[in-house]
Amino acid sequence: DTGVSQDPRHKITKRGQNVTFRCDPISEHNRLYWYRQTLGQGPEFLTYFQNEAQLEKSRLLSDRFSAERPKGSFSTLEIQRTEQGDSAMYLCASSWTGNEQFFGPGTRLTVL
Amino acid sequence: QKEVEQDPGPLSVPEGAIVSLNCTYSNSAFQYFMWYRQYSRKGPELLMYTYSSGNKEDGRFTAQVDKSSKYISLFIRDSQPSDSATYLCAMSESSGGGADGLTFGKGTHLIIQP
Repeated sequence: DTGVSQDPRHKITKRGQNVTFRCDPISEHNRLYWYRQTLGQGPEFLTYFQNEAQLEKSRLLSDRFSAERPKGSFSTLEIQRTEQGDSAMYLCASSWTGNEQFFGPGTRLTVL
Repeated sequence: QKEVEQDPGPLSVPEGAIVSLNCTYSNSAFQYFMWYRQYSRKGPELLMYTYSSGNKEDGRFTAQVDKSSKYISLFIRDSQPSDSATYLCAMSESSGGGADGLTFGKGTHLIIQP
């Protein structure tokens, strides 16, 4: 399968714990995006990487959220001190410059 | 007013009908318009990608963009039960989303009745 992959697909955690999600983009895609989707809403843009550079992070929801793409390939999204309001689907998308974004299957986070 | 408005539905139509889905938007700088299909608990799947005003056809799907009215549409011909899903419109100022990402509507839940 050469599409965008995300791991884990589902994460259940207790409030206050830290969680990390991984995204593997389509091979050779230089752009990578993270979105959050809550029930009944469209995806909401969080952050953007071009290669290893994080060029937009002002839309991250709070300072508890951070993302990395250390070698310009896979990316991780970390949420520290999770809250119940963080429960959502976290989606990753990748693209080649100026072209369409292709989404992964998402990681569903449940915070108890 | 949200940047992109989309009726969440549900929209229920009989199999074989022509389906019309639409979105309105307020940001006149949007130039690129997309439609994604999302099945329950799955990631969005790209259906159509268009630039500026005009029509684009791909199989049973036709996308229309009217920038003067800030209105976009997706038509599905010969609808099938497998088309039952949530349809998300998305748009951006720069090609592929650029540094601002994509701005999505809420999605319309479509049900095709056999």
